[in-house]
Amino acid sequence: ETGVTQSPTHLIKTRGQQVTLRCSSQSGHNTVSWYQQALGQGPQFIFQYYREEENGRGNFPPRFSGLQFPNYSSELNVNALELDDSALYLCASSLEGQPKTQYFGPGTRLLVL
Amino acid sequence: AQSVAQPEDQVNVAEGNPLTVKCTYSVSGNPYLFWYVQYPNRGLQFLLKYITGDNLVKGSYGFEAEFNKSQTSFHLKKPSALVSDSALYFCAVSSRYGGSQGNLIFGKGTKLSVKP
Repeated sequence: ETGVTQSPTHLIKTRGQQVTLRCSSQSGHNTVSWYQQALGQGPQFIFQYYREEENGRGNFPPRFSGLQFPNYSSELNVNALELDDSALYLCASSLEGQPKTQYFGPGTRLLVL
Repeated sequence: AQSVAQPEDQVNVAEGNPLTVKCTYSVSGNPYLFWYVQYPNRGLQFLLKYITGDNLVKGSYGFEAEFNKSQTSFHLKKPSALVSDSALYFCAVSSRYGGSQGNLIFGKGTKLSVKP
């Protein structure tokens, strides 16, 4: 096991709603990245946080936002949900000094109806 | 633009035979290269990585990968496949720079099926 946990495991929302997904990583893993994996595709980078500051962002609109907390937990928030937001959302954390090796959680599967 | 190509959607292998899952990449400079495996309804598990040094990298569960700079490839290999190796395999690349350029770019994945 990677020591990265995510909640909830599954979630169903309707178009236009807002959702918050949570991630908890190991002590010392102060970099967290979020990815979206659509069905049949590889994960796509959403954004990364390092020591509670956004440290990079992929090609996702501003309605995707995040937070990182001092206790190695983080959140992904998505506003104004669209049908295409249905996907597996993966959180990955990295140890201080080894930012390139990312350890993934089991993911949250979001279905938007 | 950085990209990863996994040219095979599926690879079928008999148990006990060697397996190869192909990956080619395009990235500026010298990349970091990774292989991850995903079992059904699970997250990604780290298998191995190439940072620098020996072109043959050994990883978890008997897997290894060979970095070929001239061919920009990083093929995953295993000398003897197991039925339990059946899963979805992702190749990923990262540039050596931080920020959004330093995160993982994934291929579309290759489904490995090992038959008894």
